[in-house]
Amino acid sequence: QQPVQSPQAVILREGEDAVINCSSSKALYSVHWYRQKHGEAPVFLMILLKGGEQKGHDKISASFNEKKQQSSLYLTASQLSYSGTYFCGTDSGAGSYQLTFGKGTKLSVIP
Amino acid sequence: DTGVSQDPRHKITKRGQNVTFRCDPISEHNRLYWYRQTLGQGPEFLTYFQNEAQLEKSRLLSDRFSAERPKGSFSTLEIQRTEQGDSAMYLCASSLAGGALEQYFGPGTRLTVT
Repeated sequence: QQPVQSPQAVILREGEDAVINCSSSKALYSVHWYRQKHGEAPVFLMILLKGGEQKGHDKISASFNEKKQQSSLYLTASQLSYSGTYFCGTDSGAGSYQLTFGKGTKLSVIP
Repeated sequence: DTGVSQDPRHKITKRGQNVTFRCDPISEHNRLYWYRQTLGQGPEFLTYFQNEAQLEKSRLLSDRFSAERPKGSFSTLEIQRTEQGDSAMYLCASSLAGGALEQYFGPGTRLTVT
């Protein structure tokens, strides 16, 4: 089951903050966040594991509510380079490590 | 560390032809994954290997799709008798083993079936 991301798209001015949400109908073991620019490969941003461990960028933070099966990505003081499509990938565990990605959130940062 | 590489970057083929794509993972990574991405969608998992063992292949789209990783290093994805619906970006990713770990993606191979 594909996770649902919201919003589908957002436009920010430089310096503004944004929150991108990812919600799953299945119990989650981990949530992975990626940013993809047009024509390029997805770039790893953050991984959140059941139990609270996080690994990722200094300037980007995220939360993982295991009970609600939801994750949120927080982008603060946005820069032009933050523009792109953000995907969450979810892993329901059981040793599969295969990620199921949402449809993405398109973020545009303008001067 | 040169990252994940894929070859070719672009492939145009006629319907009915067979195509093969190659992926070279980050050298110390023993897990390798194949995904497909179509326009406006997130990557869609196809299959993955741990070393040379293919541990999940039930998500391959049809029996026309197959993947190998014979020596636990590079991998190939083959599509036989291509169809127009196979047109997509095929992405390879790799990771270390040992739990849920970050996957690093290659630049992808864009397939166009005419």
